[in-house]
Amino acid sequence: DVKVTQSSRYLVKRTGEKVFLECVQDMDHENMFWYRQDPGLGLRLIYFSYDVKMKEKGDIPEGYSVSREKKERFSLILESASTNQTSMYLCASSFWRTNTEAFFGQGTRLTVV
Amino acid sequence: GQNIDQPTEMTATEGAIVQINCTYQTSGFNGLFWYQQHAGEAPTFLSYNVLDGLEEKGRFSSFLSRSKGYSYLLLKELQMKDSASYLCAVTGANNLFFGTGTRLTVIP
Repeated sequence: DVKVTQSSRYLVKRTGEKVFLECVQDMDHENMFWYRQDPGLGLRLIYFSYDVKMKEKGDIPEGYSVSREKKERFSLILESASTNQTSMYLCASSFWRTNTEAFFGQGTRLTVV
Repeated sequence: GQNIDQPTEMTATEGAIVQINCTYQTSGFNGLFWYQQHAGEAPTFLSYNVLDGLEEKGRFSSFLSRSKGYSYLLLKELQMKDSASYLCAVTGANNLFFGTGTRLTVIP
């Protein structure tokens, strides 16, 4: 059974904190993605990675960075959390060939106070 | 850049047929996905279109016209459990961009 696992389901952090969201997949996928999902705005791509140590900006990379040191793990980093980063964060992974479906983790609901 | 448009909400009756449209403008298009997302859950894959035409999978079908930048998802014999958001997504160069999603409510 395919699996994308996000480290936390719910997270509460203070403004200015450095926040790490972790995502691990066990399917040997090359591609990994980080999205945030907000009501009325849908899923917006923050960053994606197609290989170890490779990363590409999505639509809304400002305020975020990513790390992919191992193929199975893709981390999203909020350098200094702000209240406007309160959101649902979803990680996904897929094979390199773009005609294969992406599998999603269960999401992390992050609240910044 | 990319621009993907879907209606925000739709309502349909149990047992009926509903068509959810998606238009897109994107660079580097390789194909189009449809995902279903129930409230509080992760999106799950429904269909993928890369060539023009209709792909049928049980009660769900998806259509693509690359020249028109247009796709639709057709749901037949609607059931209450089909109440969910339906997300259109386009892929190219290893990325995957989503539209805002269409929230479908199925009423008895």
